[in-house]
Amino acid sequence: GAVVSQHPSWVICKSGTSVKIECRSLDFQATTMFWYRQFPKQSLMLMATSNEGSKATYEQGVEKDKFLINHASLTLSTLTVTSAHPEDSSFYICSASPSGIGYEQYFGPGTRLTVT
Amino acid sequence: GENVEQHPSTLSVQEGDSAVIKCTYSDSASNYFPWYKQELGKGPQLIIDIRSNVGEKKDQRIAVTLNKTAKHFSLHITETQPEDSAVYFCAAGGGYQKVTFGTGTKLQVIP
Repeated sequence: GAVVSQHPSWVICKSGTSVKIECRSLDFQATTMFWYRQFPKQSLMLMATSNEGSKATYEQGVEKDKFLINHASLTLSTLTVTSAHPEDSSFYICSASPSGIGYEQYFGPGTRLTVT
Repeated sequence: GENVEQHPSTLSVQEGDSAVIKCTYSDSASNYFPWYKQELGKGPQLIIDIRSNVGEKKDQRIAVTLNKTAKHFSLHITETQPEDSAVYFCAAGGGYQKVTFGTGTKLQVIP
């Protein structure tokens, strides 16, 4: 149980274009989903927390107009990187927290974004 | 905010030996301490967690201990196997459901 999927697993896009990444909880409902960014050989950096039906809460220093998050249902959250630039290239990972079970998070497999 | 420090950054052990990774946290309000295993190119996988009302928890070859007074917690892996090789992250969580991650430990189990 507690499976989270991400799509796509990797994507290459040109500078200036937008890219959407989907995160789905497959066998549980997720009131809360999280989006992380991870640079090579570094830890996970929380970008934002989203609750179903509410606006996402962004961490300090994360541009909300650049990283658009939509948590449309209890099983789906999307991250859209708008007007992507090479410095946005990174490994993006989502996680989902089952409703009413505190802080437990289950992570997706990640999406490798490369902006050329 | 919460600050989590993790040591060592790299750890090499012989197959069959034990591995210990230690973390300290700063926020006394934190009450949830998960450990994650991340293999190359994949998302982190929750392997064990402990809450502040418990001092120790064990799951087969993996155990976690928590000392709330000293604000530190540790992961113990016994009888290590090559498939245990990965990057391990500790984390600490308190309010607002989010957790703060440590800097990671790359564990290499040498056959």
